[in-house]
Amino acid sequence: DAGVIQSPRHEVTEMGQEVTLRCKPISGHNSLFWYRQTMMRGLELLIYFNNNVPIDDSGMPEDRFSAKMPNASFSTLKIQPSEPRDSAVYFCASSLSPQLAGSNEQFFGPGTRLTVL
Amino acid sequence: DAKTTQPNSMESNEEEPVHLPCNHSTISGTDYIHWYRQLPSQGPEYVIHGLTSNVNNRMASLAIAEDRKSSTLILHRATLRDAAVYYCILRPIGSSNTGKLIFGQGTTLQVKP
Repeated sequence: DAGVIQSPRHEVTEMGQEVTLRCKPISGHNSLFWYRQTMMRGLELLIYFNNNVPIDDSGMPEDRFSAKMPNASFSTLKIQPSEPRDSAVYFCASSLSPQLAGSNEQFFGPGTRLTVL
Repeated sequence: DAKTTQPNSMESNEEEPVHLPCNHSTISGTDYIHWYRQLPSQGPEYVIHGLTSNVNNRMASLAIAEDRKSSTLILHRATLRDAAVYYCILRPIGSSNTGKLIFGQGTTLQVKP
């Protein structure tokens, strides 16, 4: 298995532009998580999905952020418009459903490093 | 969610054992203790988890205090590749388990050759 795949690995954009981050979870996993990591705030959970349905988006910073999971093998995190304070590393992770598996080990992708100028 | 407390940083010499402590005095009886680590420029990776009994796997051992208010992650022979940030995280079992991981600041482990 290739693991969790994220694209792009690096993104540099200008303030006000739309940014779309992509994630392909591990096949068979039905929970998907988006995290953001900055030096100031550490690793923060933004949103997570179970069986393609958003369960908890309380970590999404504001309306400029949106996430979708149209099918079991693809998710996007969109920022529109982007701001310099959105600069961070964004991680996607997937796992088996918490209600089905005991340990629920999460597998993280390599991350997307976003820089907003 | 119950909180964990870890030292900000620790140092170890290569090929020596490392004991990484974690305090979780408000742990619930239904909380699993999970450990993840994050190598430089990578996403976090699972290390080990346990509930009450000590656990061993190929990466590490987890020693859990009898009252479960603290635990220790043990790396038996540290290598340079073990230099990372180690996170101790509590997660509920059963229907309360949403799958969320709440990361603290973790312990930055430096391994000296």
